Amino acid sequence: KNQVEQSPQSLIILEGKNCTLQCNYTVSPFSNLRWYKQDTGRGPVSLTIMTFSENTKSNGRYTATLDADTKQSSLHITASQLSDSASYICVVSSASGGSYIPTFGRGTSLIVHP
Amino acid sequence: GAGVSQSPRYKVAKRGQDVALRCDPISGHVSLFWYQQALGQGPEFLTYFQNEAQLDKSGLPSDRFFAERPEGSVSTLKIQRTQQEDSAVYLCASSLAVAGLDYEQYFGPGTRLTVT
Repeated sequence: KNQVEQSPQSLIILEGKNCTLQCNYTVSPFSNLRWYKQDTGRGPVSLTIMTFSENTKSNGRYTATLDADTKQSSLHITASQLSDSASYICVVSSASGGSYIPTFGRGTSLIVHP
Repeated sequence: GAGVSQSPRYKVAKRGQDVALRCDPISGHVSLFWYQQALGQGPEFLTYFQNEAQLDKSGLPSDRFFAERPEGSVSTLKIQRTQQEDSAVYLCASSLAVAGLDYEQYFGPGTRLTVT
């Protein structure tokens, strides 16, 4: 069964600090990996997408890495802001029969304190 | 432009009632997904449409769940005889899919269903 595991489950940091969120997956066949940000009461919004051949992707203060050999990804947030408080979800898509069914992790809940 | 919209945003149902949740995807988006998100969990795939065709419904938890997209745009997720374990946020996402290629999914705000 395809699975995506994220750690830590929750994280509290001070404004201005950096943090790194982890994602391990067992999804086959692998198509791509996305990191989403989900604010409370809202739908997820995509931050980054990486395919098999990519090992790093940046979007402003967000940098995602992918190690396809170890099936691990990380999301690094630099100089955190209060607005970064949200759930960060790792999603791995598997290609099967022409459709791409995503498997979602449970998310890491990040709280940024002033 | 307008994003994905869902209605109602909140729904309270008594156990045993039927509910219908609506999703209006982004105009022109071919693919539409429904997900169920329990409190503190990530979204779980329910079903997937490409235009009006329901290509995958493997995630629907029981035969009480039914989804349709008759004209290839608006979709409705219907839950019959609701149970307490159906309480969750139901998310809809749409994408401009091209056959054989992966795509970005755009999510709606979700409908929070509470079954009492």
